[in-house]
Amino acid sequence: KAGVTQTPRYLIKTRGQQVTLSCSPISGHRSVSWYQQTPGQGLQFLFEYFSETQRNKGNFPGRFSGRQFSNSRSEMNVSTLELGDSALYLCASSWTSEGTGELFFGEGSRLTVL
Amino acid sequence: GESVGLHLPTLSVQEGDNSIINCAYSNSASDYFIWYKQESGKGPQFIIDIRSNMDKRQGQRVTVLLNKTVKHLSLQIAATQPGDSAVYFCAESRGADGLTFGKGTHLIIQP
Repeated sequence: KAGVTQTPRYLIKTRGQQVTLSCSPISGHRSVSWYQQTPGQGLQFLFEYFSETQRNKGNFPGRFSGRQFSNSRSEMNVSTLELGDSALYLCASSWTSEGTGELFFGEGSRLTVL
Repeated sequence: GESVGLHLPTLSVQEGDNSIINCAYSNSASDYFIWYKQESGKGPQFIIDIRSNMDKRQGQRVTVLLNKTVKHLSLQIAATQPGDSAVYFCAESRGADGLTFGKGTHLIIQP
């Protein structure tokens, strides 16, 4: 069974631009969560989608948004990029909603903002 | 309140010894705890979990202990191997708020 797939793996953007990251969950998983990982702040929860609905949202500004499609694939978007948005963005999928089961993580999309 | 934290950023152990990685959490309402392992260049990988109605759970070479009285979680790895070298994160679940991760302990295996 294929794991969680994230694209692109690496990307470089400049301040003010916007970026869209994609995540394909494990087949059959309906929950997709996004996390930001930085050396200073560690792993921080961004949001979770379940059956195309945002279930939970972390403490991030409105520049961070996401969506989930009917096939459970998810995208997250960051607008008006800032230097501090440079991070590894991790997607995780699960059978059930966040906090009730094992999360399967992808290898992440590493974003560098110049 | 304060998010889940770990006592040591780095832990160095001899190959073959047992490793103990500790974690403290602050929210007594948390009811689900998980340990993840993250190798360089990869996403976190689930190791073991435990619910608040238990105080111990064992897996293959790993044991998680939960002490709710002092809000402490630990991961024990038996007979540590070179492949165990990674950053280990504890995480707690507060239901609708998503998982809260600690900052991680880098486990270094000495030959």
